[in-house]
Amino acid sequence: IVLTQSPGTLSLSPGEGATLSCRASQSVSSRSLAWYQQKPGQAPRLLIYGASKRASGIPDRFSGSGSGTDFTLTVSRVEAEDFAVYFCHQYHSSETFGQGTKLEIK
Amino acid sequence: QVQLVQSGAEVRKPGASVKVSCKTSGYTFFDYAIHWARQAPGQRLEWMGWINPANDNTKYSQSFQGRVTISRDTSTTTSYMQLSGLRSEDTAVYYCGRGLRYGSGSYYDYWGQGTLVTVSS
Repeated sequence: IVLTQSPGTLSLSPGEGATLSCRASQSVSSRSLAWYQQKPGQAPRLLIYGASKRASGIPDRFSGSGSGTDFTLTVSRVEAEDFAVYFCHQYHSSETFGQGTKLEIK
Repeated sequence: QVQLVQSGAEVRKPGASVKVSCKTSGYTFFDYAIHWARQAPGQRLEWMGWINPANDNTKYSQSFQGRVTISRDTSTTTSYMQLSGLRSEDTAVYYCGRGLRYGSGSYYDYWGQGTLVTVSS
């Protein structure tokens, strides 16, 4: 299953909302889609699993939604610490990852 | 607290092998699978395989079948990933992750810090 994320780069100012897309080449169970955040030189951090369930300690400004082949990660009001790369991960059929969306400061 | 600490950077010549370790702590080692994935420069993450520390069962990506071996040492709660027949395309950061079973597979709730493996003559 190929995961395609868009946009490649998202330029926003702090306080704005962000919508990141992850599209699968085949249907993925909504229980089998996760989102991660990665900052340069750091390990990835789990944000969302099961398409919409926030991981422990993740602020509620992060939310996930979607089903089938279209999934979305939303950051309601971007804060300075949120500028990073975000990638999706499906574990429905084997495992594959998206190529990432870079959220950068405008 | 849960920690996965990986071994340091490695440089290998083409055709050689490399073994990366992932030392776990802060939880019961037998209760969670350890997954391995890698990220080559400018590329997306690529899943390599996993091991169930409780019974030593493993599953590998077909992309690496025959070249990768994932193992564990229960006495030190450490998992290992060995990749043989290295080529320049294997230059990447290798990650371990703790797998949490959900749905038909597992997501990773904790990750190691990554290990850079460079393959160069």
